[in-house]
Amino acid sequence: EDKVVQSPLSLVVHEGDTVTLNCSYEVTNFRSLLWYKQEKKAPTFLFMLTSSGIEKKSGRLSSILDKKELFSILNITATQTGDSAVYLCAVVGSSNTGKLIFGQGTTLQVKP
Amino acid sequence: GAVVSQHPSRVICKSGTSVKIECRSLDFQATTMFWYRQFPKKSLMLMATSNEGSKATYEQGVEKDKFLINHASLTLSTLTVTSAHPEDSSFYICSASSGRNYYGYTFGSGTRLTVV
Repeated sequence: EDKVVQSPLSLVVHEGDTVTLNCSYEVTNFRSLLWYKQEKKAPTFLFMLTSSGIEKKSGRLSSILDKKELFSILNITATQTGDSAVYLCAVVGSSNTGKLIFGQGTTLQVKP
Repeated sequence: GAVVSQHPSRVICKSGTSVKIECRSLDFQATTMFWYRQFPKKSLMLMATSNEGSKATYEQGVEKDKFLINHASLTLSTLTVTSAHPEDSSFYICSASSGRNYYGYTFGSGTRLTVV
């Protein structure tokens, strides 16, 4: 059965800290891995990763995929209170429908 | 680009009534739309996958007669919660894909359903 596991499940840091969120997966016929940020409403897209070892970067956020070890990390440097959210990792699964399989999410709280 | 509009954003209905939620792709043709349900402090759970012009594929444990999905055009899919009960109260989110590849999913803004 396809599975996506995120860790930690929750994290509390102070502004300025750097955080690393983890996502491991067991999915047959892997296509891509996506990171989302969810605040009060629907998830907003952060990154899509398809190739191993190529870092994607957007401002203070970056992410990388390791297809050999079957995991991805999301880094946030110099955290701000606005980074407080649930971060979701999802993988495009084994069927050809293209459905996303989500991890449990990591709840990040950044304190001032 | 790639905007998905979902309506209503919030609905309160009485037990036993039906509620329809719409999901529209505004600037692309969505050959595939996905409907998710999210419980408080939980992740998204896929309910069903709908392809334009064909029947939806439901995930295991999701009642297709309870959650009716229609994807009649390339820009619109609807989810109807029939004979709603309080346990159907949840956050429902749709996402859409153009179908040429499965990359770059876009989510609607979600619908908060409360059944009283």
